[in-house]
Amino acid sequence: TQLLEQSPQFLSIQEGENLTVYCNSSSVFSSLQWYRQEPGEGPVLLVTVVTGGEVKKLKRLTFQFGDARKDSSLHITAAQPGDTGLYLCAAIGGTSYGKLTFGQGTILTVHP
Amino acid sequence: DAGVTQSPTHLIKTRGQQVTLRCSPKSGHDTVSWYQQALGQGPQFIFQYYEEEERQRGNFPDRFSGHQFPNYSSELNVNALLLGDSALYLCASSLGTGMTGELFFGEGSRLTVL
Repeated sequence: TQLLEQSPQFLSIQEGENLTVYCNSSSVFSSLQWYRQEPGEGPVLLVTVVTGGEVKKLKRLTFQFGDARKDSSLHITAAQPGDTGLYLCAAIGGTSYGKLTFGQGTILTVHP
Repeated sequence: DAGVTQSPTHLIKTRGQQVTLRCSPKSGHDTVSWYQQALGQGPQFIFQYYEEEERQRGNFPDRFSGHQFPNYSSELNVNALLLGDSALYLCASSLGTGMTGELFFGEGSRLTVL
């Protein structure tokens, strides 16, 4: 079973600050996804990374996949209160992308 | 275009009871996966249904069972409820069971076991 460790577990920052969330495993990922979940809602896919060393940008969010495909990071520039939520990394397991192994999540709070 | 819909949104049961949760996939999707999310944790994979059969299963006891109907909708049944079954149950739909694509999650059913 692939175990994903996310850090930090909690992050409380002021509007305008930058932050980075990490997702690590002792196993190699075939691909990894990042999701954002708001209270009372299901997770929403932000990005999928597949190639080692890959960097993807989504507005103020930058996602990086480690060269060895064992770790990933999410960097947010100039955080805004609307970025508040639970950020989850997930690895595809088994033989189907329907079976995801999630990290425990990072709860981000951005204060105005 | 309706997304993934789940019912009920909230429910309360007592230990030993049985519960059935329902999910309608996003239009055009034929595969349904179920996840359990305890408070403050990431979702854990329960099982996946495709062509009305269970295709993959996570590390959950036989008390957790499911079904998929010809219209692709799905049910999750949990028997002999335990306090530890209290969680948000998420349904996710997708097209096919391949290694690429995107999961769309519903808003979940919040189950409280007293």
